[in-house]
Amino acid sequence: AQSVTQLGSHVSVSEGALVLLRCNYSSSVPPYLFWYVQYPNQGLQLLLKYTSAATLVKGINGFEAEFKKSETSFHLTKPSAHMSDAAEYFCAVSEISNFGNEKLTFGTGTRLTIIP
Amino acid sequence: KAGVTQTPRYLIKTRGQQVTLSCSPISGHRSVSWYQQTPGQGLQFLFEYFSETQRNKGNFPGRFSGRQFSNSRSEMNVSTLELGDSALYLCASVELPLSNEQFFGPGTRLTVL
Repeated sequence: AQSVTQLGSHVSVSEGALVLLRCNYSSSVPPYLFWYVQYPNQGLQLLLKYTSAATLVKGINGFEAEFKKSETSFHLTKPSAHMSDAAEYFCAVSEISNFGNEKLTFGTGTRLTIIP
Repeated sequence: KAGVTQTPRYLIKTRGQQVTLSCSPISGHRSVSWYQQTPGQGLQFLFEYFSETQRNKGNFPGRFSGRQFSNSRSEMNVSTLELGDSALYLCASVELPLSNEQFFGPGTRLTVL
C-alpha cells in the first residue's frame, strides 16, 4: 500500500518569507502525487500534481514542488509567503486499482500560519 | 462548468439515526469518490463509483454505503450513527479516463449528538 508522510503538522512563516512544506511518499510503483489546499469550512482545491512528466511542477498561487525519486520526496515551496496562503495543506498519492480509478491516500496535513 | 455540489452543507443527527448525503459531480464526470475527514484520522477514502458501480471501497464498516445514479449523482448513507461518525464528508469527481484529477466539493459537515 502507498503512504504519505508530512513532516510538521504546523508551520509558521513570516509574510514574504520562503514557504517549505515537506512530503515524503512510499510507493512500489511510480506514483502520481498531488498537493491540495483547504481553507476553513471549504473543500480541497488542487494546487499542483506530478504525473511523471517534468520533475519540477508549477501550480497555482505561485506554489511549486519538485519530485525527487532518490529521496522519495515531493516538497511544496513558495518563494514569498502571503497572508492569503494561511490554510491547511495536504500531500496525496494516487493508487491505481485494477479498474484504473484513482484512490487518493492523504498525508495528515500541515497547517500553515503566516505571521504579519 | 459548475463545480461539485454537496447537499446538505450541515447536518445534525442523534446517535442511532441514519443519514443520507448527496453529491452532484461536475457535468461529464462519471467517477465519484467519497472521503471522510476527521481531526483524529484525517482524510480517509470511503468508496468510489463509476457508471453506477462501486469499484473500490475503503476500510469502513458496513454501516457506510453508497450508490450512484444514471446521471452520475451519488449518495452515501450512514446507518445507526455513532458519535465517531461526526466528520466532514467530501465528495470528489473525476473525468475518467481523460484525467486523474479529483475535483472536490465543499463537503457536508455531519454532527452526531
